[in-house]
Amino acid sequence: QKEVEQNSGPLSVPEGAIASLNCTYSDRGSQSFFWYRQYSGKSPELIMSIYSNGDKEDGRFTAQLNKASQYVSLLIRDSQPSDSATYLCAVTEYEGGKLIFGQGTELSVKP
Amino acid sequence: DTGVSQDPRHKITKRGQNVTFRCDPISEHNRLYWYRQTLGQGPEFLTYFQNEAQLEKSRLLSDRFSAERPKGSFSTLEIQRTEQGDSAMYLCASSLAGTPLGDEQFFGPGTRLTVL
Repeated sequence: QKEVEQNSGPLSVPEGAIASLNCTYSDRGSQSFFWYRQYSGKSPELIMSIYSNGDKEDGRFTAQLNKASQYVSLLIRDSQPSDSATYLCAVTEYEGGKLIFGQGTELSVKP
Repeated sequence: DTGVSQDPRHKITKRGQNVTFRCDPISEHNRLYWYRQTLGQGPEFLTYFQNEAQLEKSRLLSDRFSAERPKGSFSTLEIQRTEQGDSAMYLCASSLAGTPLGDEQFFGPGTRLTVL
């Protein structure tokens, strides 16, 4: 059973702080890695994708991938209350294949 | 370029009834995926299509579930003889396989099913 694990949280950070979200995956053959944001009652929204080891930055978001450790993380700088949501980590094992999701980490940013 | 759309957005049905959901992917996307999500869990894969061909189906999907994508455009997901355990959000996503960002899947708003 291929698995993706996340801390379920909730993770609470003050406004303006850095939020750090972590994810591990079991399948060494996984190729592509994604972070989705999901507001309560809404569908997942793709916010970051990463395919190779290292960091990828997009605005306030930085995704980090370490394939040797089978570890993916998402950093959110200058966290805002509007960032309060559940963050889902997902991986694919081959190009265009199904996504395998973690259970999500709930983030709460306090004003 | 419109996003993925799903219809209906909400469905309440009685146990034992059949229900059908529709998904319209982003135009030109050749892959279409169905997922199911229950409260507090991440989405769980059900099945996916490339054009009109169904390429993979989850082992968790019972024979009460069937999906089609007859012309490689929209897709339908039918659940026969619904059970209370089928209550969930049914999510559709699409992607453009064969391109550099072909792994990126974009989700529709979902159909929330409640089985009484």
